[in-house]
Amino acid sequence: LAKTTQPISMDSYEGQEVNITCSHNNIATNDYITWYQQFPSQGPRFIIQGYKTKVTNEVASLFIPADRKSSTLSLPRVSLSDTAVYYCLVGAFQKLVFGTGTRLLVSP
Amino acid sequence: EPEVTQTPSHQVTQMGQEVILRCVPISNHLYFYWYRQILGQKVEFLVSFYNNEISEKSEIFDDQFSVERPDGSNFTLKIRSTKLEDSAMYFCASSVRDPGGSYNSPLHFGNGTRLTVT
Repeated sequence: LAKTTQPISMDSYEGQEVNITCSHNNIATNDYITWYQQFPSQGPRFIIQGYKTKVTNEVASLFIPADRKSSTLSLPRVSLSDTAVYYCLVGAFQKLVFGTGTRLLVSP
Repeated sequence: EPEVTQTPSHQVTQMGQEVILRCVPISNHLYFYWYRQILGQKVEFLVSFYNNEISEKSEIFDDQFSVERPDGSNFTLKIRSTKLEDSAMYFCASSVRDPGGSYNSPLHFGNGTRLTVT
């Protein structure tokens, strides 16, 4: 399973764009990169998934360089409700391993 | 949007007692999972289940744990004799797998059952 490294925490203000980078140097050819969001006392929630280049949905964008050894989750114009822990996961389909994630704090 | 539902939301039990945590996965999903999260710690994989059998399990999932899909909708986790260290949030998840293997179907999680062992 590919090991991931993310910043432990990040701070931002409402209305700013937030970019969270995850490194996964030993990503395998078949591995997808998936990001989840977790609020306190709730289950993780799927945000976005990608394999290469750029993926965008209604809540976020995911940028993956050609070597796929890292990825960046981009949250446009964050609000207070985006305060949460964000997890980058890479690996086998059936046994996703959650790291410590990035704790994002959005302030007014 | 369909969701994974878990009951109860909070379960308190005494050490040594058996508990069953219940989950209703999303109806067209084929893979089912249990994860747990001890307060302030990581989300940890316990077990995955497909086609009525365990497909993978972690070292946490010892003989005290078992899973079952007793009917077409429920998926349960049983802890036979609870220990204090089993106190945690237990999350059920489900996913659809593309048979072609070309898409890594994301997991959909429930909101968990908080298990407190006293």
